[in-house]
Amino acid sequence: KAGVTQTPRYLIKTRGQQVTLSCSPISGHRSVSWYQQTPGQGLQFLFEYFSETQRNKGNFPGRFSGRQFSNSRSEMNVSTLELGDSALYLCASSLEVVGNEQYFGPGTRLTVT
Amino acid sequence: GDSVTQMEGPVTLSEEAFLTINCTYTATGYPSLFWYVQYPGEGLQLLLKATKADDKGSNKGFEATYRKETTSFHLEKGSVQVSDSAVYFCALTNTGNQFYFGTGTSLTVIP
Repeated sequence: KAGVTQTPRYLIKTRGQQVTLSCSPISGHRSVSWYQQTPGQGLQFLFEYFSETQRNKGNFPGRFSGRQFSNSRSEMNVSTLELGDSALYLCASSLEVVGNEQYFGPGTRLTVT
Repeated sequence: GDSVTQMEGPVTLSEEAFLTINCTYTATGYPSLFWYVQYPGEGLQLLLKATKADDKGSNKGFEATYRKETTSFHLEKGSVQVSDSAVYFCALTNTGNQFYFGTGTSLTVIP
């Protein structure tokens, strides 16, 4: 079974631009979560989608948004990029079973200049 | 709310030394507990998990026991190798399927 895939793997953007990252979960997984990882803040939860609905949300500004499609693929969008948005963005998928583990993709490394 | 607190790093050990990374949690009810490992340049990989009190998760020589009385899930390995050098994350999930991660503990094993 293929793992979680994320595209692109690397991105360089300029302040003020916007960016869209994509995540394809493991087949059969309907829950997709997004995290931001930085050296200073560690792993921070952005949001979780299940069946095309945002079910949980972390404490990030409205510039960070996401969506999920009917095939469970998910995208996240960051508008008006700031230097502080430079990070590794990780996507994880899981089965809708309480207590089940999340499976992570390799991440998208975003650099904002 | 639910949360995880894990031992600050970095941790540096010699090969074949004993490893303990402490993890305690705060949660209502009966969460499931996990250890994840992240190697440089990669995403997180599940190392082991435990879903109920007194369960012991184990994998690749690593072990952790779900202790409800002390709300702990400490990671241990009897003899570390250079290849174990990575960042280790303790995590929990409860009802609602949201995961809570600790801050991560960086481990370096020197030959």
